[in-house]
Amino acid sequence: KAGVTQTPRYLIKTRGQQVTLSCSPISGHRSVSWYQQTPGQGLQFLFEYFSETQRNKGNFPGRFSGRQFSNSRSEMNVSTLELGDSALYLCASSLAQPSTDTQYFGPGTRLTVL
Amino acid sequence: GDSVTQMEGPVTLSEEAFLTINCTYTATGYPSLFWYVQYPGEGLQLLLKATKADDKGSNKGFEATYRKETTSFHLEKGSVQVSDSAVYFCALSASKAGNQFYFGTGTSLTVIP
Repeated sequence: KAGVTQTPRYLIKTRGQQVTLSCSPISGHRSVSWYQQTPGQGLQFLFEYFSETQRNKGNFPGRFSGRQFSNSRSEMNVSTLELGDSALYLCASSLAQPSTDTQYFGPGTRLTVL
Repeated sequence: GDSVTQMEGPVTLSEEAFLTINCTYTATGYPSLFWYVQYPGEGLQLLLKATKADDKGSNKGFEATYRKETTSFHLEKGSVQVSDSAVYFCALSASKAGNQFYFGTGTSLTVIP
């Protein structure tokens, strides 16, 4: 079974631009979560989508948004990019059994904001 | 709120040494506990998990036991190899609607020959 895939793997943008990242979950997985990983803050939860609905949201500004499609693929968008948005963005998918479920991670998208 | 506290790194060990990485948690309800490993340039891979108290997760020689009385989930391996060099993350998944994980800060392990 194919794993979680994320595209693109690397992105370079400038301040003020916007960016869209894509995530394809493992086949059959209906929950997709997004995380931001930085050396200073570690892994921080952005949001989780299940059946095209945002089910949980972390403590990030409204510039960070996402959506999920009927095939469970998900996108996240960051508008008005700031230097501090430079990070590895990880997507994880799961079968969506709260509390006991395992999240499976993709390789991440490395975003650099200049 | 829910949180995970993980041993600070970096940790440097010689090959075949014993490894312990401490992890304690705070959670309401009955969380599941996980250890993930991240190799350079890659995403996180599940190493092992435990879903209830006294469960022991194990994989590739790594073990961790879910201790409710001490709210701990320490990672151990009896004999580390150079290939174990990576960053290790402890995480919990809380009993609530949705699927939100809380991660520790990560512990970098370097094993030298």
